[in-house]
Amino acid sequence: EVQLVESGGGLVQPGGSLTLSCEVSGFRMSDYSMNWVRQAPGRGLEWLAYINSDTSTMFFAQSVRGRLSISRDNAKNSLFLQMNSLTAGDTAVYYCARDGGNFNDAFFDLWGQGTLVTVSS
Amino acid sequence: QSVVTQPPSVSEVPGQRVTISCHGRDSNIGNNGVAWYQQLPGKAPKVLIYSDDLVPSGVADRFSGSKSGTSASLAISGLQSEDEADYYCAVWDDTLNGRVFGGGTKLTVL
Repeated sequence: EVQLVESGGGLVQPGGSLTLSCEVSGFRMSDYSMNWVRQAPGRGLEWLAYINSDTSTMFFAQSVRGRLSISRDNAKNSLFLQMNSLTAGDTAVYYCARDGGNFNDAFFDLWGQGTLVTVSS
Repeated sequence: QSVVTQPPSVSEVPGQRVTISCHGRDSNIGNNGVAWYQQLPGKAPKVLIYSDDLVPSGVADRFSGSKSGTSASLAISGLQSEDEADYYCAVWDDTLNGRVFGGGTKLTVL
């Protein structure tokens, strides 16, 4: 089955760090660029980061630039998002999403079910 | 406040046609392809339209997209109760050097 499964969410204290994972199955991850998107409770979608298939190109949303890093391990079919200096504003469901086209097309053709990150003391 | 704006809500009765707008700038909609996503309550988003007006396989042909200048639209014809959801446009922004989502539009089927 073609799917994305996120993990690593949970409760983290303000100022802390967290690494999220996205395991890919049913397709060759090395053929695709990947993204992270989040959604705060009751709020809209916010794109966070993009990484191309060979990790030579990455883009980040201005709101999180410098605090987030994106990486991937094609051999293990896994995508990662490391987040530092977390605040309550980072509380959200975090989705990984597969890129369906060119980087300037905003076309995410496959989404995971999301993992919830709660930043609270 | 997103650089790409959508109406917060729209409503229509079953069987009718509704359009959702997405307004941007030359740096985003005016120069790049727009995608549209549907998010049902408690679910992950699902793509409905990409590259302004292309429909992925498996998406009902009741959904269509269009673009003119710095504005894009999603049209849903033959409204059904199961279309009640949040809808988001998304586009690359040349100035921000990243993707942006519109704020989302909640569709209510009366």
